[in-house]
Amino acid sequence: DTGVSQDPRHKITKRGQNVTFRCDPISEHNRLYWYRQTLGQGPEFLTYFQNEAQLEKSRLLSDRFSAERPKGSFSTLEIQRTEQGDSAMYLCASSFPDRVHEQYFGPGTRLTVT
Amino acid sequence: QKEVEQNSGPLSVPEGAIASLNCTYSDRGSQSFFWYRQYSGKSPELIMFIYSNGDKEDGRFTAQLNKASQYVSLLIRDSQPSDSATYLCAGEGGYQKVTFGIGTKLQVIP
Repeated sequence: DTGVSQDPRHKITKRGQNVTFRCDPISEHNRLYWYRQTLGQGPEFLTYFQNEAQLEKSRLLSDRFSAERPKGSFSTLEIQRTEQGDSAMYLCASSFPDRVHEQYFGPGTRLTVT
Repeated sequence: QKEVEQNSGPLSVPEGAIASLNCTYSDRGSQSFFWYRQYSGKSPELIMFIYSNGDKEDGRFTAQLNKASQYVSLLIRDSQPSDSATYLCAGEGGYQKVTFGIGTKLQVIP
């Protein structure tokens, strides 16, 4: 499978715990994006990388969220001290830098905070 | 005010009819607009993008952009039950960030 992959697909955690998600983009794509989607809403932009550089981060993202892409390949999204409001689908997408419109999405990680 | 506005629907059309999906945006600096389709429980997939005023056709799909009115639309001709999904309108704004609307749920009735 040469598409975008995400791991885990589902995560249930208790409030206050830390969680980390992984995204493996399409190998030729050097842009990688993270979005959050709740029921009945469109994907909400969180952050994006070009290679290993984090170029933009949503003002909505609290300090509890951090993302890395250390070698410009896979990326991780960490949420510290999870809250019930963090329950959502976390989507990763990748693209070529000059084809921002053509983002390929992974299957997502569904987070449930109890 | 959200940057990209869509009616959540559902929009119901009979099979074979034209489905018209609409979207408005507030950021005049947005240059490109996209339509993604999202089936229930699945990830979004790109259908079309448009960056020039006017119409752009691809098979049964036509995207329309009117920058003066800040209006984007998607027409689906000869709608099929398999077109039933949520259609997300998105715009590319500053810093190449893509902003999505809430999506319009389309139901094609056989």
